[in-house]
Amino acid sequence: GAGVSQSPSNKVTEKGKDVELRCDPISGHTALYWYRQRLGQGLEFLIYFQGNSAPDKSGLPSDRFSAERTGESVSTLTIQRTQQEDSAVYLCASSLVRNIQYFGAGTRLSVL
Amino acid sequence: EDQVTQSPEALRLQEGESSSLNCSYTVSGLRGLFWYRQDPGKGPEFLFTLYSAGEEKEKERLKATLTKKESFLHITAPKPEDSATYLCAVQAEASYDKVIFGPGTSLSVIP
Repeated sequence: GAGVSQSPSNKVTEKGKDVELRCDPISGHTALYWYRQRLGQGLEFLIYFQGNSAPDKSGLPSDRFSAERTGESVSTLTIQRTQQEDSAVYLCASSLVRNIQYFGAGTRLSVL
Repeated sequence: EDQVTQSPEALRLQEGESSSLNCSYTVSGLRGLFWYRQDPGKGPEFLFTLYSAGEEKEKERLKATLTKKESFLHITAPKPEDSATYLCAVQAEASYDKVIFGPGTSLSVIP
């Protein structure tokens, strides 16, 4: 497809379990972003990848959160030992020029 | 610290009733200001980018304007399909591609 794809669309997990969220950016886009959006709130920046540069991890809320990106393609966001406060929608975006970000539909994470 | 606020938090309009949404920002050198639209259950969709004070952009019933401290999204004669959350975001000169989003304004247009 032509857009940003995220999987799964919904994830329900138990407190303490690890989860892995996937993002397929638009082909050729060099930049990739992860955001967290809690119910009724704005977007909270988590991490940013640009080409082969070191990622900007300044938004990761704790060391339970990590992300990887393979070259300029797929990225995975991993949350270890999930907590109830991790429940949110996790959005991925990619961009190429002029910083216009194209977003996926997000993964809705529910931690029971 | 770079910051973005938006007002009002929520807005209800009758169909055809024009209004404006506000985005106020504090940033150490503005590189760009962005407006996005977000529908329920979906990711934000890009609307406009503004780069310098005095700049304006238009798309259908929407017009975005920019000053040195704020941006307005003017909605002329809105229709129910304009109902969505409108997000403002800024990028500072010193922060490369990192973008800071505001909390959004939830717009409801009543037929």
